[in-house]
Amino acid sequence: SAVISQKPSRDICQRGTSLTIQCQVDSQVTMMFWYRQQPGQSLTLIATANQGSEATYESGFVIDKFPISRPNLTFSTLTVSNLSPEDSSIYLCSVEGLVIEQFFGPGTRLTVL
Amino acid sequence: ELKVEQNPLFLSMQEGKNYTIYCNYSTTSDRLYWYRQDPGKSLESLFVLLSNGAVKQEGRLMASLDTKARLSTLHITAAVHDLSATYFCAVDIYGGSQGNLIFGKGTKLSVKP
Repeated sequence: SAVISQKPSRDICQRGTSLTIQCQVDSQVTMMFWYRQQPGQSLTLIATANQGSEATYESGFVIDKFPISRPNLTFSTLTVSNLSPEDSSIYLCSVEGLVIEQFFGPGTRLTVL
Repeated sequence: ELKVEQNPLFLSMQEGKNYTIYCNYSTTSDRLYWYRQDPGKSLESLFVLLSNGAVKQEGRLMASLDTKARLSTLHITAAVHDLSATYFCAVDIYGGSQGNLIFGKGTKLSVKP
């Protein structure tokens, strides 16, 4: 299975600022994804991070709010811009392994004041 | 739009009892995932079900998939306290190797002595 790390593990941010979350995988993977888990809720896919091209966003998520980078096959970043309290969530990256399983990182817990 | 519905959303069990969690989805998909999430933790992959009639077992948990009925079940046998967690099913929305998952709302399981 892939080993995934995320930084930071948690942060408290002020309204109107931005937070960039890093996701690092210990092996090269084709597919990387970013999910949001709002308090007490299920997970919602934000976007697919494509290496060498723009991310593919799901309905309700836009690049201006959630810019994503994918510079290589082991790393991606998600920025949550112009923060509001409604952005307080856990953000998780995930990758698809060789045998179709999808593995999740430890998550980044964001609190916006 | 693909919808994934789990029931029950909350389940309180006594140790030693059996129970089943149900996961219905609204459109054709050939991949279904079950995950476990402990409080404050990320998601742990339990099962990936890839074909109609697939059955997988790990310890006290057994998952099955009926693609014709668009139904997966997670059966718990002789529950123990350590199984207390939230269980999510998820369906691949595009099939093939796209890896984008739509999650159910989760079933919060509490196993009491």
